[in-house]
Amino acid sequence: QSALTQPASVSGSPGQSITISCTGTSSDILFYKYVSWYQQHPGKAPRLLIYDVTNRPSGISNRFSGSKSGNTASLTISGLQTEDEADYYCSSYTNINPLVFGGGTKVTVL
Amino acid sequence: QITLKESGPPVVEPTQTLTLTCNFSGFSLGTSGEGVAWIRQPPGEALEWLALIYWDDDKRFSPSLKSRLSITRDISRNQVVLTLANMDTVDTATYFCVHRYLYGNFDAFDIWGQGTMVTVTS
Repeated sequence: QSALTQPASVSGSPGQSITISCTGTSSDILFYKYVSWYQQHPGKAPRLLIYDVTNRPSGISNRFSGSKSGNTASLTISGLQTEDEADYYCSSYTNINPLVFGGGTKVTVL
Repeated sequence: QITLKESGPPVVEPTQTLTLTCNFSGFSLGTSGEGVAWIRQPPGEALEWLALIYWDDDKRFSPSLKSRLSITRDISRNQVVLTLANMDTVDTATYFCVHRYLYGNFDAFDIWGQGTMVTVTS
Protein backbone atom coordinates (compact mmCIF):
# COMPACT_ATOMS: atom_id res chain seq x y z
CA GLN A 1 0.00 0.00 0.00
CA SER A 2 1.41 3.36 -1.10
CA ALA A 3 2.00 6.06 1.49
CA LEU A 4 0.33 8.59 -0.82
CA THR A 5 -3.25 7.99 -1.94
CA GLN A 6 -4.38 8.75 -5.46
CA PRO A 7 -7.69 7.96 -7.16
CA ALA A 8 -7.40 4.93 -9.39
CA SER A 9 -8.88 6.72 -12.36
CA VAL A 10 -9.99 10.12 -13.57
CA SER A 11 -11.62 10.90 -16.89
CA GLY A 12 -12.60 13.93 -18.90
CA SER A 13 -13.52 15.08 -22.37
CA PRO A 14 -11.15 16.89 -24.69
CA GLY A 15 -10.84 20.53 -23.74
CA GLN A 16 -12.02 20.01 -20.18
CA SER A 17 -9.96 20.38 -17.03
CA ILE A 18 -9.36 17.54 -14.63
CA THR A 19 -7.69 17.36 -11.24
CA ILE A 20 -5.84 14.44 -9.73
CA SER A 21 -5.46 14.39 -5.97
CA CYS A 22 -2.61 12.98 -3.93
CA THR A 23 -3.37 12.64 -0.25
CA GLY A 24 -0.66 12.20 2.33
CA THR A 25 -0.17 12.76 6.03
CA SER A 26 1.59 15.00 8.50
CA SER A 27 4.75 13.05 7.72
CA ASP A 28 4.86 14.31 4.17
CA ILE A 29 2.64 16.65 2.19
CA LEU A 30 1.21 18.59 5.13
CA PHE A 31 4.52 20.06 6.27
CA TYR A 32 6.74 19.83 3.19
CA LYS A 33 6.64 21.52 -0.18
CA TYR A 34 8.41 18.65 -1.93
CA VAL A 35 5.76 17.11 -4.16
CA SER A 36 6.51 16.02 -7.70
CA TRP A 37 4.26 14.69 -10.45
CA TYR A 38 5.10 12.30 -13.28
CA GLN A 39 3.31 11.22 -16.43
CA GLN A 40 3.79 7.74 -17.82
CA HIS A 41 2.49 6.46 -21.12
CA PRO A 42 2.14 2.69 -21.57
CA GLY A 43 5.47 1.00 -22.06
CA LYS A 44 7.39 4.23 -21.57
CA ALA A 45 9.49 5.72 -18.80
CA PRO A 46 7.87 8.39 -16.64
CA ARG A 47 8.30 12.08 -17.39
CA LEU A 48 8.66 14.80 -14.78
CA LEU A 49 5.79 17.30 -14.98
CA ILE A 50 5.92 19.21 -11.69
CA TYR A 51 8.47 19.60 -8.91
CA ASP A 52 8.34 21.38 -5.56
CA VAL A 53 4.51 21.35 -5.67
CA THR A 54 4.01 24.03 -8.31
CA ASN A 55 7.05 24.30 -10.59
CA ARG A 56 7.29 23.05 -14.15
CA PRO A 57 10.59 21.97 -15.70
CA SER A 58 11.53 23.59 -18.96
CA GLY A 59 9.53 22.20 -21.85
CA ILE A 60 6.47 21.14 -19.86
CA SER A 61 3.22 22.64 -21.08
CA ASN A 62 1.53 25.21 -18.85
CA ARG A 63 -1.61 23.10 -19.18
CA PHE A 64 -0.14 21.15 -16.29
CA SER A 65 -0.25 22.85 -12.91
CA GLY A 66 0.32 21.75 -9.35
CA SER A 67 -0.98 22.91 -6.00
CA LYS A 68 -1.25 21.86 -2.39
CA SER A 69 -3.77 22.34 0.38
CA GLY A 70 -3.20 20.80 3.76
CA ASN A 71 -2.11 17.21 3.31
CA THR A 72 -3.38 16.95 -0.26
CA ALA A 73 -1.50 17.86 -3.40
CA SER A 74 -3.21 18.19 -6.75
CA LEU A 75 -2.30 18.09 -10.40
CA THR A 76 -4.61 19.91 -12.77
CA ILE A 77 -4.60 19.30 -16.48
CA SER A 78 -6.40 22.01 -18.38
CA GLY A 79 -7.48 21.85 -22.01
CA LEU A 80 -7.39 18.05 -21.88
CA GLN A 81 -5.93 16.45 -25.01
CA THR A 82 -5.91 12.88 -26.25
CA GLU A 83 -2.17 12.62 -25.65
CA ASP A 84 -2.77 13.31 -21.96
CA GLU A 85 -4.20 9.82 -21.62
CA ALA A 86 -1.62 8.16 -19.38
CA ASP A 87 -0.84 7.18 -15.82
CA TYR A 88 0.10 9.91 -13.39
CA TYR A 89 2.12 9.52 -10.19
CA CYS A 90 2.77 11.89 -7.34
CA SER A 91 5.78 11.65 -5.08
CA SER A 92 6.78 13.39 -1.90
CA TYR A 93 9.47 13.68 0.69
CA THR A 94 8.51 12.08 3.96
CA ASN A 95 10.22 12.21 7.32
CA ILE A 96 9.76 8.47 7.62
CA ASN A 97 10.85 7.28 4.19
CA PRO A 98 12.99 9.69 2.19
CA LEU A 99 10.75 9.49 -0.85
CA VAL A 100 7.46 7.79 -1.63
CA PHE A 101 5.21 7.53 -4.66
CA GLY A 102 1.47 7.43 -4.88
CA GLY A 103 -0.38 4.46 -6.27
CA GLY A 104 -0.94 6.15 -9.61
CA THR A 105 -3.99 7.49 -11.45
CA LYS A 106 -5.10 6.43 -14.89
CA VAL A 107 -6.39 9.36 -16.91
CA THR A 108 -8.83 8.55 -19.66
CA VAL A 109 -9.80 11.06 -22.33
CA LEU A 110 -13.38 10.31 -23.33
CA GLN B 1 22.23 15.85 -23.36
CA ILE B 2 21.82 13.50 -20.43
CA THR B 3 21.20 9.83 -21.07
CA LEU B 4 21.10 6.82 -18.79
CA LYS B 5 20.98 3.15 -19.63
CA GLU B 6 20.44 0.21 -17.36
CA SER B 7 21.96 -3.21 -17.82
CA GLY B 8 21.70 -6.44 -15.92
CA PRO B 9 20.37 -9.98 -16.04
CA PRO B 10 16.79 -10.36 -17.29
CA VAL B 11 16.25 -13.41 -15.10
CA VAL B 12 17.37 -14.04 -11.53
CA GLU B 13 16.68 -17.02 -9.31
CA PRO B 14 15.15 -16.64 -5.85
CA THR B 15 17.71 -15.94 -3.10
CA GLN B 16 20.26 -14.67 -5.61
CA THR B 17 21.68 -11.16 -5.59
CA LEU B 18 20.70 -8.83 -8.41
CA THR B 19 23.36 -6.49 -9.75
CA LEU B 20 22.28 -3.67 -12.04
CA THR B 21 24.55 -1.17 -13.74
CA CYS B 22 23.58 2.28 -14.87
CA ASN B 23 25.83 3.82 -17.51
CA PHE B 24 25.19 7.48 -18.02
CA SER B 25 26.48 10.41 -20.02
CA GLY B 26 26.01 14.16 -20.11
CA PHE B 27 26.92 14.85 -16.50
CA SER B 28 29.42 13.87 -13.84
CA LEU B 29 28.44 12.40 -10.51
CA GLY B 30 31.38 14.27 -9.10
CA THR B 31 29.66 17.61 -9.76
CA SER B 32 27.90 19.32 -6.89
CA GLY B 33 24.16 18.70 -6.81
CA GLU B 34 24.14 15.66 -9.05
CA GLY B 35 22.49 12.41 -8.07
CA VAL B 36 21.35 9.12 -9.55
CA ALA B 37 18.49 7.05 -8.23
CA TRP B 38 16.93 3.66 -8.87
CA ILE B 39 13.18 3.28 -9.12
CA ARG B 40 11.31 0.10 -9.95
CA GLN B 41 7.88 -0.78 -11.21
CA PRO B 42 6.34 -4.26 -10.98
CA PRO B 43 4.19 -5.17 -13.98
CA GLY B 44 0.94 -3.21 -13.86
CA GLU B 45 1.83 -1.61 -10.55
CA ALA B 46 3.05 1.70 -9.17
CA LEU B 47 6.52 3.18 -9.05
CA GLU B 48 8.67 2.41 -6.03
CA TRP B 49 11.76 4.41 -5.11
CA LEU B 50 14.70 2.25 -4.05
CA ALA B 51 17.89 4.22 -3.56
CA LEU B 52 19.71 7.44 -4.39
CA ILE B 53 23.39 8.32 -4.47
CA TYR B 54 24.59 11.91 -4.48
CA TRP B 55 27.64 13.70 -5.82
CA ASP B 56 29.23 13.65 -2.36
CA ASP B 57 28.70 9.86 -2.03
CA ASP B 58 25.84 10.38 0.41
CA LYS B 59 23.29 7.59 0.02
CA ARG B 60 19.62 7.16 0.77
CA PHE B 61 17.64 3.93 0.81
CA SER B 62 14.03 2.87 1.01
CA PRO B 63 13.63 1.75 4.64
CA SER B 64 11.68 -1.35 3.64
CA LEU B 65 14.56 -2.58 1.45
CA LYS B 66 17.56 -0.99 3.13
CA SER B 67 18.93 -4.22 4.56
CA ARG B 68 19.06 -5.76 1.07
CA LEU B 69 20.27 -2.79 -0.98
CA SER B 70 23.59 -1.25 -1.80
CA ILE B 71 24.47 1.52 -4.23
CA THR B 72 27.89 2.58 -5.42
CA ARG B 73 29.29 4.95 -7.99
CA ASP B 74 32.33 5.03 -10.24
CA ILE B 75 32.89 8.64 -11.23
CA SER B 76 35.59 7.91 -13.78
CA ARG B 77 33.42 5.38 -15.59
CA ASN B 78 30.15 7.31 -15.25
CA GLN B 79 28.50 4.32 -13.63
CA VAL B 80 26.20 3.60 -10.75
CA VAL B 81 25.72 0.04 -9.53
CA LEU B 82 22.76 -1.19 -7.52
CA THR B 83 22.69 -4.54 -5.79
CA LEU B 84 19.60 -6.12 -4.27
CA ALA B 85 20.22 -9.22 -2.21
CA ASN B 86 18.01 -12.22 -1.52
CA MET B 87 15.76 -11.74 -4.52
CA ASP B 88 12.17 -12.93 -4.37
CA THR B 89 9.38 -13.22 -6.92
CA VAL B 90 7.90 -9.96 -5.60
CA ASP B 91 11.04 -8.20 -6.82
CA THR B 92 10.04 -8.90 -10.41
CA ALA B 93 9.87 -5.46 -11.97
CA THR B 94 11.24 -2.99 -14.46
CA TYR B 95 14.15 -1.19 -12.84
CA PHE B 96 14.81 2.41 -13.88
CA CYS B 97 17.98 4.40 -13.46
CA VAL B 98 17.14 8.11 -13.14
CA HIS B 99 18.88 11.47 -12.98
CA ARG B 100 18.17 13.81 -10.10
CA TYR B 101 16.75 17.12 -11.26
CA LEU B 102 19.18 19.89 -10.38
CA TYR B 103 16.86 22.84 -9.98
CA GLY B 104 14.46 21.73 -7.29
CA ASN B 105 14.66 21.95 -3.54
CA PHE B 106 14.16 18.25 -3.18
CA ASP B 107 14.71 15.07 -5.14
CA ALA B 108 12.76 14.96 -8.38
CA PHE B 109 13.87 12.99 -11.41
CA ASP B 110 13.98 14.56 -14.82
CA ILE B 111 15.78 12.07 -17.03
CA TRP B 112 14.95 8.37 -16.97
CA GLY B 113 16.62 5.39 -18.51
CA GLN B 114 14.55 3.07 -20.67
CA GLY B 115 14.33 0.58 -17.83
CA THR B 116 15.38 -3.03 -17.63
CA MET B 117 12.94 -5.83 -16.85
CA VAL B 118 14.05 -8.32 -14.23
CA THR B 119 12.09 -11.50 -13.63
CA VAL B 120 12.66 -13.59 -10.54
CA THR B 121 11.95 -17.24 -11.19
CA SER B 122 13.41 -20.64 -10.48
